[in-house]
Amino acid sequence: NAGVTQTPKFQVLKTGQSMTLQCAQDMNHNSMYWYRQDPGMGLRLIYYSASEGTTDKGEVPNGYNVSRLNKREFSLRLESAAPSQTSVYFCASSGTGGSSPLHFGNGTRLTVT
Amino acid sequence: GESVGLHLPTLSVQEGDNSIINCAYSNSASDYFIWYKQESGKGPQFIIDIRSNMDKRQGQRVTVLLNKTVKHLSLQIAATQPGDSAVYFCAESRRGNMLTFGGGTRLMVKP
Repeated sequence: NAGVTQTPKFQVLKTGQSMTLQCAQDMNHNSMYWYRQDPGMGLRLIYYSASEGTTDKGEVPNGYNVSRLNKREFSLRLESAAPSQTSVYFCASSGTGGSSPLHFGNGTRLTVT
Repeated sequence: GESVGLHLPTLSVQEGDNSIINCAYSNSASDYFIWYKQESGKGPQFIIDIRSNMDKRQGQRVTVLLNKTVKHLSLQIAATQPGDSAVYFCAESRRGNMLTFGGGTRLMVKP
């Protein structure tokens, strides 16, 4: 099992460009998440999807959109990238039935110039 | 405000010693707590979790202690090894899986 797979691993964008970060999980989890990690800020939730067909805003959703394409895949889109979106982005998934651990991918390091 | 934080940003220990990483949380409604380990260039890796109806839980070389009276969480690593060097995050949850993460503490293991 690969767990949670994120692509790409690295990306450099110019201000105003758009891109989509891809995430897929093979653990048959219902819930999926997008976090960003910045120095001194810890992990902050951008969007999450409790189940296929639903998405909800997290702590820092502005400037992002998400799509839960199917049970396996959850993508994060930046329509018009800004330097403030320079960060490391982590996708995660978890099962259902109350509190359960999140399983993370290895991240996408995004730089916006 | 509600927050999860760590007392020590960096902890340096000798190989073979025990390590204790501390975490304070401010929301008494938190009912689920997790410790994650993050190595350089990788995503956070689940170590151990504990629910609020427990005060101690043990895993392989790790123990998590929860003191709800003072809203304190700790991770104990026995016989610390060089491979334990990483950043450790605590996280708490108040409603299902909406985790709030602390800022992390770096554990450095000296050979």
